[in-house]
Amino acid sequence: GQQVMQIPQYQHVQEGEDFTTYCNSSTTLSNIQWYKQRPGGHPVFLIQLVKSGEVKKQKRLTFQFGEAKKNSSLHITATQTTDVGTYFCAGRGLTGGGNKLTFGTGTQLKVEL
Amino acid sequence: EAGVTQSPTHLIKTRGQQATLRCSPISGHTSVYWYQQALGLGLQFLLWYDEGEERNRGNFPPRFSGRQFPNYSSELNVNALELEDSALYLCASRFDPGPAGYTFGSGTRLTVV
Repeated sequence: GQQVMQIPQYQHVQEGEDFTTYCNSSTTLSNIQWYKQRPGGHPVFLIQLVKSGEVKKQKRLTFQFGEAKKNSSLHITATQTTDVGTYFCAGRGLTGGGNKLTFGTGTQLKVEL
Repeated sequence: EAGVTQSPTHLIKTRGQQATLRCSPISGHTSVYWYQQALGLGLQFLLWYDEGEERNRGNFPPRFSGRQFPNYSSELNVNALELEDSALYLCASRFDPGPAGYTFGSGTRLTVV
């Protein structure tokens, strides 16, 4: 079945440093979504990417979808303590599974002052 | 607009018992998704319901089952509970077709002792 892996699993940064998490799917995706889960909270939808090579920005967050539509990345510029949480990518396959999203393993971000 | 609501917030059960978890989607959302999140781990897809029908299920044993009611609310039942069923169970809803992202509820924390 479809598998979605993320690296790194954990990342500790100093406030102000940049952060990047990478997402890789075992199969080609029709689209990819990103979610953020604060400690003790539930996942919150951030964005969806659909097109090959697509790049979208949300303030300090930059999301990319690979040309082959099998990988994606999230880059945060100048991290803040409010960025703390676990970031999940979630992919939807091309065929089968309907609307099911397969979530990545997640990257836990900790930001220290 | 009310979000996705889940009940109960916490549930403690003894091994071998049955657990029933409930979810009310956002008004107008017809699709409900259930995910299991074991402590510190990612989200594992359990079940997808749409228009009252089970559309897809994840790689879980048959003792995980559920249903969707005419008002689109949903119920997840876990029979013959095992210790490893202890996890956060998240429900999400989505209007299909509609905005891409899932809206998650706050989850039910199931503890099996």
